[in-house]
Amino acid sequence: AAGVIQSPRHLIKEKRETATLKCYPIPRHDTVYWYQQGPGQDPQFLISFYEKMQSDKGSIPDRFSAQQFSDYHSELNMSSLELGDSALYFCASSLRDRVTEAFFGQGTRLTVV
Amino acid sequence: AQKVTQAQTEISVVEKEDVTLDCVYETRDTTYYLFWYKQPPSGELVFLIRRNSFDEQNEISGRYSWNFQKSTSSFNFTITASQVVDSAVYFCALSEAESNYQLIWGAGTKLIIKP
Repeated sequence: AAGVIQSPRHLIKEKRETATLKCYPIPRHDTVYWYQQGPGQDPQFLISFYEKMQSDKGSIPDRFSAQQFSDYHSELNMSSLELGDSALYFCASSLRDRVTEAFFGQGTRLTVV
Repeated sequence: AQKVTQAQTEISVVEKEDVTLDCVYETRDTTYYLFWYKQPPSGELVFLIRRNSFDEQNEISGRYSWNFQKSTSSFNFTITASQVVDSAVYFCALSEAESNYQLIWGAGTKLIIKP
């Protein structure tokens, strides 16, 4: 069965650069969630989108923005990268904003040098 | 206050031993969900179980079992006859209405299974 696809799987950027992470949800899923997991930490909820509208917002920095497109894929844009942004970024998807039924992607490991 | 507490930061056992990972949660909601995820060294989050607050039946899946006790607000996870491949960080998480059902994660327990 198709799962949540995240790209790229690994990304290395320099400080002050910009990064874009992509998330392709499970087919027919209309909701995506973004999480950030720093080294040795638990995942932190950043933001979610349902039917292309922001549905909930967590601890997403102002330097980050995200959107969901008409095909339900989502992109997380990160600007002015800082060393502390180095983390695993997970995307999850679900039907109808039901986070309790979300499936996680394999994550994108971002390293800022 | 921590809503999900995994008091064991790291556990190390020898292969074939049984091991229990503790999870204590805090919520004022009557409807909520509890989860366990496994995160192996490769980094992905592997879903293990979801339990809603109205279902206190214990569950067994192969070598894995879960003990949900509302009286003590605990949702403990036991691995029987542990194997080296069980080595991972295990996260317990809570989903409640008060938090808009977003997952509230515990700090995780690193489980090391020695051969």
